[in-house]
Amino acid sequence: SQELEQSPQSLIVQEGKNLTINCTSSKTLYGLYWYKQKYGEGLIFLMMLQKGGEEKSHEKITAKLDEKKQQSSLHITASQPSHAGIYLCGAVSNFGNEKLTFGTGTRLTIIP
Amino acid sequence: GAVVSQHPSWVICKSGTSVKIECRSLDFQATTMFWYRQFPKQSLMLMATSNEGSKATYEQGVEKDKFLINHASLTLSTLTVTSAHPEDSSFYICSATLAGGPSDTQYFGPGTRLTVL
Repeated sequence: SQELEQSPQSLIVQEGKNLTINCTSSKTLYGLYWYKQKYGEGLIFLMMLQKGGEEKSHEKITAKLDEKKQQSSLHITASQPSHAGIYLCGAVSNFGNEKLTFGTGTRLTIIP
Repeated sequence: GAVVSQHPSWVICKSGTSVKIECRSLDFQATTMFWYRQFPKQSLMLMATSNEGSKATYEQGVEKDKFLINHASLTLSTLTVTSAHPEDSSFYICSATLAGGPSDTQYFGPGTRLTVL
């Protein structure tokens, strides 16, 4: 079965600083998703990456998928308190397989 | 668009009782709905996949007789935790994929926190 490892597990960053969260898969990814979760709430879809080398940005968040499609990074520029939460990567391993396997999660805290 | 709701948002019940959780896609028809559970400080674990009008597919280790899933329409799926016990206490989250949209993108509900006393 596919396993996703996220690093770091937790991150405390001063407001305004940049940060990066990584997601590494044990297998080649068909699709890689990034979600954000506030404690005790549902998941908010951020971005989906599918092609090797693909990069997408939304506001101050940029996600990349490496050429081998086994590692993704999520980069936040000039972090704000609103960025605080748990970031989860999720992956679909096969074409036509909708089942998502989630990473271990990264808890991000932004300090003023 | 692509909003998924869950009801109730939280529930407390006595051990041995059954609890039903609803998952609705509010502004779209969902081809498939998924049920996850999440323990504190842990990631989401897929419990089952349900398609409208057919039996749910359960993940290994998930008791289908304990976690009954009914997918009555393209906008509603229900999860019933039967004879609940304290170890069933968890955060249950559903998600839905958009019919006609990118089949892999799941939209998540806000979750239901179940506490079994």
